[in-house]
Amino acid sequence: DTEVTQTPKHLVMGMTNKKSLKCEQHMGHRAMYWYKQKAKKPPELMFVYSYEKLSINESVPSRFSPECPNSSLLNLHLHALQPEDSALYLCASSQDGTTGEQFFGPGTRLTVL
Amino acid sequence: KQEVTQIPAALSVPEGENLVLNCSFTDSAIYNLQWFRQDPGKGLTSLLLIQSSQREQTSGRLNASLDKSSGRSTLYIAASQPGDSATYLCAVRGSNYQLIWGAGTKLIIKP
Repeated sequence: DTEVTQTPKHLVMGMTNKKSLKCEQHMGHRAMYWYKQKAKKPPELMFVYSYEKLSINESVPSRFSPECPNSSLLNLHLHALQPEDSALYLCASSQDGTTGEQFFGPGTRLTVL
Repeated sequence: KQEVTQIPAALSVPEGENLVLNCSFTDSAIYNLQWFRQDPGKGLTSLLLIQSSQREQTSGRLNASLDKSSGRSTLYIAASQPGDSATYLCAVRGSNYQLIWGAGTKLIIKP
């Protein structure tokens, strides 16, 4: 089963709200990723967890906070977002954090008002 | 710095034709190259992964080739169908283990 699930599918939030995006995989993968994708652009890497440790943290604003409770789950906590943060947020996983094939979830369409 | 280019940005062909999508990269020091498909507003579907030691991979009507020395990969789609309409992205896994993405080719198959 090469499935990565994400909830919710759609999210609308105000700039003062706090919300969380969730991602789950049951492939036994040890690396999980968050990407942000704007319309007609390729995905941009935000965070990587490899063996439940944050190994890459690009210069992503602190209003995005990742959490990896265990090797199957990945959350992205959102707080005080800006309208320009509206995008498709994609979760992915791979066998390891180096060269494994990445499998993506369906994404969460986020709109910040 | 690795750069990945996909040409053309868009392609429209009649149903039934065989077609080739192109991906080029500037640094041959890659671990692998992955082709994805993305339908509008949806997530990415992994189509094929080619390791740096491989020359090609096949899955159904899809065949991907890799020529590291020239920095090129092609995705060949045989007997195209309207359901193949989507954006196709290639990405290379470079020395820092991150995926470096092309901008994609939007493919339209006309019935």
